[in-house]
Amino acid sequence: AQSVTQLDSHVSVSEGTPVLLRCNYSSSYSPSLFWYVQHPNKGLQLLLKYTSAATLVKGINGFEAEFKKSETSFHLTKPSAHMSDAAEYFCVVRWIGQGNLIFGKGTKLSVKP
Amino acid sequence: NAGVTQTPKFRVLKTGQSMTLLCAQDMNHEYMYWYRQDPGLGLRLIHYSVGEGTTAKGEVPDGYNVSRLKKQNFLLGLESAAPSQTSVYFCASSSGQGLEKLFFGSGTQLSVL
Repeated sequence: AQSVTQLDSHVSVSEGTPVLLRCNYSSSYSPSLFWYVQHPNKGLQLLLKYTSAATLVKGINGFEAEFKKSETSFHLTKPSAHMSDAAEYFCVVRWIGQGNLIFGKGTKLSVKP
Repeated sequence: NAGVTQTPKFRVLKTGQSMTLLCAQDMNHEYMYWYRQDPGLGLRLIHYSVGEGTTAKGEVPDGYNVSRLKKQNFLLGLESAAPSQTSVYFCASSSGQGLEKLFFGSGTQLSVL
């Protein structure tokens, strides 16, 4: 069955340290891949998307993600966390030919001063 | 730029009552979606629509109905509300399949007592 797994429900980092949010998908077909961010009491906002043009994708606010087909992963990273990065992050997958998206269960990122 | 507008923002229902959530988008998008968000479960697709006059079931459609009579509107109905339907509901739209991004509304907090 097609699925997307976010390996950590909660990640806590100190301000200025790197961020790594992990995402794996299960499928024998290459999907479209996205990361969305949700700040408290807000709707979701697109951070970045995988277009197949490059395996390393740069998004807004200094985030980037690397598509690794051999590992079926699309992990989200940022070199240096900022307090404003505290939010919930969702890895999202769409398989070609399907009209809907599959959301991971989310990873809540906390940033300590 | 209104984008995606959801009404109402908050609602409290008694078990057995009915209500309709309205989603309106002004971007001429073909695709519209209704999700529910619950702690630890991420976003789950209730129903979606790939164009005016069409609807399809998502992951958790039971207890909900939808209609897409006009391209810009996507209505979500609860005929007989149950406490299990207490959730935050998000509407989203996109221009089509593939790599386009979703635009989300700001959510509706629904409590069923």
